[in-house]
Amino acid sequence: GENVEQHPSTLSVQEGDSAVIKCTYSDSASNYFPWYKQELGKRPQLIIDIRSNVGEKKDQRIAVTLNKTAKHFSLHITETQPEDSAVYFCAASGYSTLTFGKGTMLLVSP
Amino acid sequence: GAVVSQHPSRVICKSGTSVKIECRSLDFQATTMFWYRQFPKQSLMLMATSNEGSKATYEQGVEKDKFLINHASLTLSTLTVTSAHPEDSSFYICSVGGRTGELFFGEGSRLTVL
Repeated sequence: GENVEQHPSTLSVQEGDSAVIKCTYSDSASNYFPWYKQELGKRPQLIIDIRSNVGEKKDQRIAVTLNKTAKHFSLHITETQPEDSAVYFCAASGYSTLTFGKGTMLLVSP
Repeated sequence: GAVVSQHPSRVICKSGTSVKIECRSLDFQATTMFWYRQFPKQSLMLMATSNEGSKATYEQGVEKDKFLINHASLTLSTLTVTSAHPEDSSFYICSVGGRTGELFFGEGSRLTVL
C-alpha cells in the first residue's frame, strides 16, 4: 500500500517568514495530493490539493508543488501569520483511500 | 464541499459500556463514508470504510466486533465502540468523499473511557 512520509514534524517560524513542509510517497499510481490543516481539537480542513497532471498550484499565500518523478510534494506558506499555527497533514491517494502523513506542527510567533 | 455532521462531540463513559457515534452527510448522498481514529499528537488512521447497505471494510488490525459500523442510509453511518476500555479513548472522525477524491470531515468525537 501507499506510504507517506512528512517532514519536519515541527516547524517554528517568525510572523512574515515562509514555511515549507515536504512529503514523499511510495505508490507511483497515486494521483491526488491534498493538504489539510487541523487546529487543536478541531476537524481537519482541506486547504489546497493538487493532481498529478499539474506541477504547481497556488491559492493566495499557499502553494503546493508536485514532482511525480521524485514522488514528492511540498506545501509552501508565504507571509505566515499567527493564525496559520496548526498541524498540517499531507496525504496521497490513487485508486484507494487517502493515506496521511504524520503531520507537521507549525508554530508562527508574532 | 460536503457538509458532514458528527455527534456527540464529546463522550465520557465507564469501562465496559458501549458508545455510539453518528455521522451524517447533510448535503451529499454518500454511498461510502470513512471512519478515522486519531490519538493525541498523531496522524489520522483509517479504521474502516462504511458502505451503504453492505458490510463495512475494516483496515488491518481493527477489530470488527469491537467497532461496529452500520451504514443504513445514504446520509447516516454509525460507529459503535463496544465494551469500551481506556485504551479506546481517542478522537474519532468520520469523513465523506467528494466527487473528485477530496475528503470532508465531521467535527470529530472525543471519547474518554474511565
